[in-house]
Amino acid sequence: RKEVEQDPGPFNVPEGATVAFNCTYSNSASQSFFWYRQDCRKEPKLLMSVYSSGNEDGRFTAQLNRASQYISLLIRDSKLSDSATYLCVVTTFSGTYKYIFGTGTRLKVLA
Amino acid sequence: GAVVSQHPSWVICKSGTSVKIECRSLDFQATTMFWYRQFPKQSLMLMATSNEGSKATYEQGVEKDKFLINHASLTLSTLTVTSAHPEDSSFYICSARDRDSANYGYTFGSGTRLTVV
Repeated sequence: RKEVEQDPGPFNVPEGATVAFNCTYSNSASQSFFWYRQDCRKEPKLLMSVYSSGNEDGRFTAQLNRASQYISLLIRDSKLSDSATYLCVVTTFSGTYKYIFGTGTRLKVLA
Repeated sequence: GAVVSQHPSWVICKSGTSVKIECRSLDFQATTMFWYRQFPKQSLMLMATSNEGSKATYEQGVEKDKFLINHASLTLSTLTVTSAHPEDSSFYICSARDRDSANYGYTFGSGTRLTVV
Protein backbone atom coordinates (compact mmCIF):
# COMPACT_ATOMS: atom_id res chain seq x y z
CA ARG A 1 0.00 0.00 0.00
CA LYS A 2 1.28 3.46 -0.86
CA GLU A 3 2.04 5.79 2.02
CA VAL A 4 -0.12 8.50 0.56
CA GLU A 5 -2.95 7.69 -1.82
CA GLN A 6 -5.04 9.92 -4.01
CA ASP A 7 -7.54 9.35 -6.79
CA PRO A 8 -5.60 10.49 -9.88
CA GLY A 9 -8.76 11.72 -11.65
CA PRO A 10 -9.11 13.63 -13.87
CA PHE A 11 -12.05 15.40 -12.32
CA ASN A 12 -13.78 17.43 -15.02
CA VAL A 13 -16.10 20.03 -13.51
CA PRO A 14 -17.91 23.07 -14.91
CA GLU A 15 -16.95 26.54 -13.87
CA GLY A 16 -18.63 27.51 -10.62
CA ALA A 17 -18.90 23.95 -9.35
CA THR A 18 -17.79 22.75 -5.94
CA VAL A 19 -15.35 19.87 -5.99
CA ALA A 20 -13.68 17.86 -3.22
CA PHE A 21 -10.64 15.64 -3.17
CA ASN A 22 -9.63 13.13 -0.55
CA CYS A 23 -6.25 11.75 0.34
CA THR A 24 -5.48 8.87 2.68
CA TYR A 25 -2.21 8.20 4.46
CA SER A 26 -0.95 5.01 6.06
CA ASN A 27 1.47 6.23 8.73
CA SER A 28 -0.43 7.15 11.87
CA ALA A 29 2.67 8.96 13.16
CA SER A 30 2.49 11.48 10.32
CA GLN A 31 2.82 14.94 11.69
CA SER A 32 2.04 17.63 9.17
CA PHE A 33 -0.21 17.79 6.17
CA PHE A 34 -0.33 20.04 3.16
CA TRP A 35 -2.01 20.54 -0.16
CA TYR A 36 0.19 21.61 -3.04
CA ARG A 37 -0.80 22.64 -6.49
CA GLN A 38 1.26 21.64 -9.51
CA ASP A 39 0.71 23.02 -12.97
CA CYS A 40 1.86 21.04 -15.97
CA ARG A 41 5.66 20.90 -16.19
CA LYS A 42 6.08 23.24 -13.26
CA GLU A 43 7.20 22.90 -9.68
CA PRO A 44 4.64 22.29 -6.91
CA LYS A 45 3.49 25.36 -5.02
CA LEU A 46 2.10 25.31 -1.50
CA LEU A 47 -1.64 25.84 -1.53
CA MET A 48 -2.37 25.47 2.14
CA SER A 49 -1.43 23.66 5.31
CA VAL A 50 -4.03 21.37 6.84
CA TYR A 51 -4.89 21.61 10.52
CA SER A 52 -6.93 19.29 12.69
CA SER A 53 -9.48 22.00 13.31
CA GLY A 54 -9.91 22.52 9.59
CA ASN A 55 -8.92 25.69 7.83
CA GLU A 56 -10.21 27.87 5.07
CA ASP A 57 -8.49 30.17 2.63
CA GLY A 58 -10.92 31.94 0.36
CA ARG A 59 -12.60 29.34 -1.82
CA PHE A 60 -10.44 26.53 -0.46
CA THR A 61 -11.20 24.51 2.67
CA ALA A 62 -8.95 21.78 4.05
CA GLN A 63 -9.88 19.19 6.64
CA LEU A 64 -7.88 16.59 8.53
CA ASN A 65 -9.30 13.44 10.08
CA ARG A 66 -6.56 11.79 12.11
CA ALA A 67 -8.75 8.92 13.30
CA SER A 68 -9.52 7.86 9.74
CA GLN A 69 -6.17 9.08 8.40
CA TYR A 70 -7.41 11.18 5.57
CA ILE A 71 -7.31 14.79 4.52
CA SER A 72 -9.60 16.59 2.16
CA LEU A 73 -9.61 19.68 0.00
CA LEU A 74 -12.80 21.44 -1.02
CA ILE A 75 -12.83 24.02 -3.78
CA ARG A 76 -15.90 26.20 -4.09
CA ASP A 77 -16.93 28.24 -7.12
CA SER A 78 -14.31 26.62 -9.35
CA LYS A 79 -12.44 28.87 -11.77
CA LEU A 80 -10.77 27.92 -15.01
CA SER A 81 -7.49 28.86 -13.37
CA ASP A 82 -8.00 26.16 -10.74
CA SER A 83 -7.20 23.53 -13.39
CA ALA A 84 -4.07 21.81 -12.11
CA THR A 85 -2.91 18.74 -10.26
CA TYR A 86 -3.43 18.86 -6.51
CA LEU A 87 -0.87 17.02 -4.46
CA CYS A 88 -1.47 15.75 -0.98
CA VAL A 89 1.68 15.89 1.13
CA VAL A 90 2.29 14.21 4.45
CA THR A 91 5.38 14.67 6.58
CA THR A 92 7.00 12.26 8.95
CA PHE A 93 9.97 12.80 11.19
CA SER A 94 12.81 10.30 11.49
CA GLY A 95 15.86 12.38 12.24
CA THR A 96 14.73 14.85 9.64
CA TYR A 97 11.41 15.76 8.17
CA LYS A 98 10.43 13.81 5.07
CA TYR A 99 7.84 14.94 2.65
CA ILE A 100 5.78 12.13 1.16
CA PHE A 101 3.80 13.07 -1.92
CA GLY A 102 0.62 11.55 -3.21
CA THR A 103 0.38 10.95 -6.95
CA GLY A 104 -1.86 13.95 -7.27
CA THR A 105 -5.43 14.50 -8.39
CA ARG A 106 -5.90 16.19 -11.72
CA LEU A 107 -8.64 18.82 -11.91
CA LYS A 108 -9.98 20.30 -15.13
CA VAL A 109 -12.41 23.15 -14.81
CA LEU A 110 -14.42 23.52 -18.01
CA ALA A 111 -15.96 26.69 -19.38
CA GLY B 1 8.83 34.75 0.55
CA ALA B 2 11.57 32.15 0.42
CA VAL B 3 12.87 31.42 -3.05
CA VAL B 4 14.89 28.49 -4.28
CA SER B 5 16.66 29.10 -7.56
CA GLN B 6 17.28 25.97 -9.63
CA HIS B 7 19.39 25.74 -12.79
CA PRO B 8 19.35 24.70 -15.51
CA SER B 9 15.63 24.64 -16.29
CA TRP B 10 16.13 22.02 -18.94
CA VAL B 11 19.03 20.14 -20.41
CA ILE B 12 19.48 17.67 -23.22
CA CYS B 13 22.61 15.57 -23.06
CA LYS B 14 24.14 12.57 -24.72
CA SER B 15 24.13 9.19 -23.08
CA GLY B 16 27.23 8.68 -20.95
CA THR B 17 27.77 12.32 -20.06
CA SER B 18 27.29 13.92 -16.64
CA VAL B 19 24.91 16.71 -15.78
CA LYS B 20 25.06 19.02 -12.76
CA ILE B 21 21.95 20.64 -11.34
CA GLU B 22 22.23 23.53 -8.88
CA CYS B 23 19.82 24.74 -6.26
CA ARG B 24 20.41 27.95 -4.37
CA SER B 25 18.34 29.30 -1.52
CA LEU B 26 17.92 33.03 -1.87
CA ASP B 27 17.66 35.18 1.23
CA PHE B 28 17.52 32.22 3.57
CA GLN B 29 19.70 29.43 4.84
CA ALA B 30 18.81 25.93 3.77
CA THR B 31 20.31 23.53 6.29
CA THR B 32 18.54 20.70 4.54
CA MET B 33 17.77 20.33 0.85
CA PHE B 34 15.61 17.59 -0.58
CA TRP B 35 16.04 16.21 -4.08
CA TYR B 36 13.10 14.67 -5.93
CA ARG B 37 12.51 13.05 -9.26
CA GLN B 38 9.20 13.00 -11.07
CA PHE B 39 8.39 10.82 -14.06
CA PRO B 40 5.43 11.74 -16.27
CA LYS B 41 2.07 11.33 -14.55
CA GLN B 42 3.72 10.13 -11.38
CA SER B 43 4.26 11.70 -7.99
CA LEU B 44 7.44 13.30 -6.79
CA MET B 45 9.74 10.63 -5.42
CA LEU B 46 12.30 11.62 -2.82
CA MET B 47 15.77 10.65 -3.98
CA ALA B 48 17.95 11.99 -1.22
CA THR B 49 18.23 14.44 1.62
CA SER B 50 21.30 16.61 1.76
CA ASN B 51 22.52 18.35 4.87
CA GLU B 52 25.04 21.14 4.80
CA GLY B 53 28.51 19.90 5.53
CA SER B 54 27.69 16.21 5.70
CA LYS B 55 26.98 13.27 3.43
CA ALA B 56 23.60 13.00 1.81
CA THR B 57 21.10 10.37 2.87
CA TYR B 58 19.79 8.41 -0.08
CA GLU B 59 16.44 6.69 -0.35
CA GLN B 60 16.28 2.99 -0.99
CA GLY B 61 16.92 2.15 -4.62
CA VAL B 62 18.75 5.38 -5.43
CA GLU B 63 22.37 4.84 -6.44
CA LYS B 64 24.55 7.25 -4.51
CA ASP B 65 27.46 6.82 -6.92
CA LYS B 66 25.26 7.76 -9.82
CA PHE B 67 23.50 10.71 -8.22
CA LEU B 68 26.20 12.73 -6.50
CA ILE B 69 24.97 15.33 -4.05
CA ASN B 70 27.06 18.11 -2.63
CA HIS B 71 25.80 20.59 -0.05
CA ALA B 72 28.90 22.61 0.65
CA SER B 73 27.21 25.75 1.94
CA LEU B 74 23.97 26.81 3.56
CA THR B 75 22.75 28.28 0.31
CA LEU B 76 23.89 25.83 -2.34
CA SER B 77 23.22 22.17 -3.04
CA THR B 78 24.09 20.36 -6.26
CA LEU B 79 22.98 17.10 -7.81
CA THR B 80 25.19 15.53 -10.47
CA VAL B 81 23.75 12.78 -12.62
CA THR B 82 26.81 10.83 -13.67
CA SER B 83 27.02 8.75 -16.84
CA ALA B 84 23.43 9.62 -17.67
CA HIS B 85 21.30 7.18 -19.64
CA PRO B 86 17.92 7.62 -21.33
CA GLU B 87 16.14 6.07 -18.32
CA ASP B 88 17.48 8.95 -16.22
CA SER B 89 15.37 11.35 -18.27
CA SER B 90 13.03 12.93 -15.78
CA PHE B 91 12.02 16.11 -13.97
CA TYR B 92 14.43 16.75 -11.09
CA ILE B 93 13.41 19.18 -8.42
CA CYS B 94 14.85 20.40 -5.14
CA SER B 95 13.17 21.85 -2.11
CA ALA B 96 14.13 23.46 1.15
CA ARG B 97 12.51 25.22 4.06
CA ASP B 98 13.32 28.56 5.51
CA ARG B 99 13.62 27.49 9.13
CA ASP B 100 13.03 31.05 10.26
CA SER B 101 9.70 31.25 8.48
CA ALA B 102 6.36 30.73 10.17
CA ASN B 103 5.23 28.93 7.05
CA TYR B 104 6.00 25.26 7.54
CA GLY B 105 5.69 24.44 3.88
CA TYR B 106 8.72 23.79 1.77
CA THR B 107 9.76 25.90 -1.16
CA PHE B 108 10.57 24.17 -4.40
CA GLY B 109 13.00 25.07 -7.08
CA SER B 110 11.54 25.48 -10.57
CA GLY B 111 12.78 22.04 -11.57
CA THR B 112 15.16 20.73 -14.21
CA ARG B 113 13.84 18.71 -17.10
CA LEU B 114 16.59 16.31 -18.13
CA THR B 115 16.44 14.50 -21.44
CA VAL B 116 19.17 11.99 -22.20
CA VAL B 117 19.46 10.98 -25.82
